[in-house]
Amino acid sequence: AQTVTQSQPEMSVQEAETVTLSCTYDTSESNYYLFWYKQPPSRQMILVIRQEAYKQQNATENRFSVNFQKAAKSFSLKISDSQLGDTAMYFCALRGSQGNLIFGKGTKLSVKP
Amino acid sequence: DTGVSQDPRHKITKRGQNVTFRCDPISEHNRLYWYRQTLGQGPEFLTYFQNEAQLEKSRLLSDRFSAERPKGSFSTLEIQRTEQGDSAMYLCASSPTGEAYNEQFFGPGTRLTVL
Repeated sequence: AQTVTQSQPEMSVQEAETVTLSCTYDTSESNYYLFWYKQPPSRQMILVIRQEAYKQQNATENRFSVNFQKAAKSFSLKISDSQLGDTAMYFCALRGSQGNLIFGKGTKLSVKP
Repeated sequence: DTGVSQDPRHKITKRGQNVTFRCDPISEHNRLYWYRQTLGQGPEFLTYFQNEAQLEKSRLLSDRFSAERPKGSFSTLEIQRTEQGDSAMYLCASSPTGEAYNEQFFGPGTRLTVL
């Protein structure tokens, strides 16, 4: 079975600082895709960043980057220079065999001024 | 607005009633997914369509649930004889086929409350 685990239900960070959200996963697939999605309060979910497992290089999107450790099945998200607009639920997800996404329970991130 | 839309945004119903939700995907997207999200949890996969064909159903989708996507455009999700445990946010997402289908675009969701 494919599973995704996020062990940090809530986190907070001061504006302009850096925060790292953790995610571990399990899959028997040799090639797979991992994602971080952001769900702001009362707004729809949007893709933050994605990583293809066969790519060694960690993905980066502006202030967002991942630390992908394939052997450890770990996929953490680093947010640099945190902004108030980063306040949201963050979900780690693994693409399933049918293209569906398998989500973790999420981490609620609060950015404080 | 060319994003994924869902209607209604909120639905309150009494236990035992039937409800139907609609999802309009991004027009050129062939794949359409339904998820359910309960409080404090991540979304859980329910079912998906490739064009008009329903290709996979989760075991979460009991026989009280039915989904359709006529003509491969919009989709409907119907819940018959609603139960209090059906209270959740129902999310729809769409994606194109090909390499780009790895990204799913989500709608705002329909929040169902069963009294």
